This record gives sequence, structure tokens and C-alpha cells, in this order.
Amino acid sequence: EAGVTQFPSHSVIEKGQTVTLRCDPISGHDNLYWYRRVMGKEIKFLLHFVKESKQDESGMPNNRFLAERTGGTYSTLKVQPAELEDSGVYFCASSQGTGGYEQYFGPGTRLTVT
Amino acid sequence: QKEVEQNSGPLSVPEGAIASLNCTYSDRGSQSFFWYRQYSGKSPELIMFIYSNGDKEDGRFTAQLNKASQYVSLLIRDSQPSDSATYLCAVNGGSQGNLIFGKGTKLSVKP
Repeated sequence: EAGVTQFPSHSVIEKGQTVTLRCDPISGHDNLYWYRRVMGKEIKFLLHFVKESKQDESGMPNNRFLAERTGGTYSTLKVQPAELEDSGVYFCASSQGTGGYEQYFGPGTRLTVT
Repeated sequence: QKEVEQNSGPLSVPEGAIASLNCTYSDRGSQSFFWYRQYSGKSPELIMFIYSNGDKEDGRFTAQLNKASQYVSLLIRDSQPSDSATYLCAVNGGSQGNLIFGKGTKLSVKP
């Protein structure tokens, strides 16, 4: 069974540019999560999809971040325009259910904004 | 603000010893508890989860949960150099799906 995949693995962009990150969850997992780890800090929750619906987006830092999950399969996270503080590693995770269900993480996208 | 606290380490143990990793959490309503292992530059890998008070064993790993003390621990028996990694404690608040992570404890197992 394929795990969670993310693309690209690394992205370097200039401040003010746009970047789109993609996540493909484990097949059959309705729940998809985005997390972010900035340097020296803990991994922090950004948002949660159940199928194509946003269940919880309380962790999104501001309106420069837009996440979509059309058709309830893969998800994209767009940052527009990017700022220096957006640099970090963006992880995607998926699970079969919510609450106590185990979440499996993808390899992450390392975003560097210069 | 819900928080999960871990000693950052590094925790250094000799090969073959027991490594003990600890975690406390602030939200008394938390219901599910997870330990992830993360090698440098890699994704977090789920190694243990526990929902009920007491101990849960899986191979060389034992997770311990004490909800009254809001304390979770991970014991690694017969530690191997390949266990050297950062161990992340994560807590789920129940109906909300998101995990709250600690900063992680870096474990070094010396041959």
C-alpha cells in the first residue's frame, strides 16, 4: 500500500511569489491534515479535510494560505504571496477516521522563502 | 492554549539499555496519545499509540499513560543505535482531529 506522498520535496521561492504544495493521501483515507514545522518549533496543525470539506481550519495562519481538496482525493496548499516567515517544512497526514485514529505522515515539503 | 511538553534532550543511552522518554500535556480532555519517531530530514513515523490508562507493549516499545497525572511515556528496551532519532509525543483532543505535538526529544544510542 502506498503511503502519503507530497510534491515537491523542496521549493525555494522569493518573497511575494506563489507556491502550491500537493499531497496525495493513502488510498481510502477520507481524512487529510496539513501541518507545518518552522525552525526550532513544534509541528503545528494547519487544517483538516474530511473528504472534500474543510472540517477545521483553525490553524491556518492568515488568508495568504488557501487549501483545497477537490473531489476528496489529493489536496493542494497554496501560499500567495509568500513571506519570509512562511519558510518551514509542510507535512501532510491522512487517517481513516477522526479523533483517535492514527495519522500517517508524508515526507514533507521544505519551503524556503528568500 | 493546549500544550504538550517534552524534554528536548539530547538523551544519551548506551546500546542495550532502556531509554525512557517522557511527555506531559495540558488538556485534561485529551483522549488519544501517539509517539512518532523522526529521523533527521524524514517524516514522522508512527510507532505507538495508547488510549487507556496503563501500559501498552509492542516489541521493544512500551507506552505508558497516566491520565490523572497527564503524563505519557515511551520506554525502549534493548536500545539500538538505529533507535537514534527524535521522538515526538502527540495528543489528540477527541472529536477534533488535529494532533498537538511536543517539540520532541532527541535520543542518541551509543554503541
